[in-house]
Amino acid sequence: EAQVTQNPRYLITVTGKKLTVTCSQNMNHEYMSWYRQDPGLGLRQIYYSMNVEVTDKGDVPEGYKVSRKEKRNFPLILESPSPNQTSLYFCASSILGSIGAGNTQYFGPGTRLTVL
Amino acid sequence: SQQGEEDPQALSIQEGENATMNCSYKTSINNLQWYRQNSGRGLVHLILIRSNEREKHSGRLRVTLDTSKKSSSLLITASRAADTASYFCATMRIQGAQKLVFGQGTRLTINP
Repeated sequence: EAQVTQNPRYLITVTGKKLTVTCSQNMNHEYMSWYRQDPGLGLRQIYYSMNVEVTDKGDVPEGYKVSRKEKRNFPLILESPSPNQTSLYFCASSILGSIGAGNTQYFGPGTRLTVL
Repeated sequence: SQQGEEDPQALSIQEGENATMNCSYKTSINNLQWYRQNSGRGLVHLILIRSNEREKHSGRLRVTLDTSKKSSSLLITASRAADTASYFCATMRIQGAQKLVFGQGTRLTINP
């Protein structure tokens, strides 16, 4: 089954304790992305990757890191989490087609993170 | 700044009625997509309309796009309780990095 998986699904942690949220897709997609969703702010892109070893900042990258060592995995790293990073996080992937191809994004189930 | 903005922010209708949600955007786009999100879950792609298309159908969904007004609408006909969810429009720009920019969504509630 084609899917995007995220782990963990729920996480409560404390300020400053490094954490990693994993994301994996089995569709051989080139493009992967991380979003955070907050009430009243919709989805905002954190980082994205257009292929292995190619990553770039989205709209709200501060406080986050990513890596893309393998095509299927795109972990999100919070080196020193703070309470303002409490949010619902989504990973997504898509093909990297030509302009006009559409590039529908497939979303993971989400990770609800609470930083105390 | 947010590219897509949905209107209304919340909509509550009776089962069987039609639901219409609108999306406005600011820059030229390559395509516009609509996604659905059940509470606390991941988004699911519903339908995509390209900038050279004016209308598209998929089952009970009808999407229109007016590039001159930079707006789109999503119509759900014969609504069902299971349609209760949040609906987001997302635009992909013509230039710049390939990314979808999401609006804040419309919370749709279908009352039985």
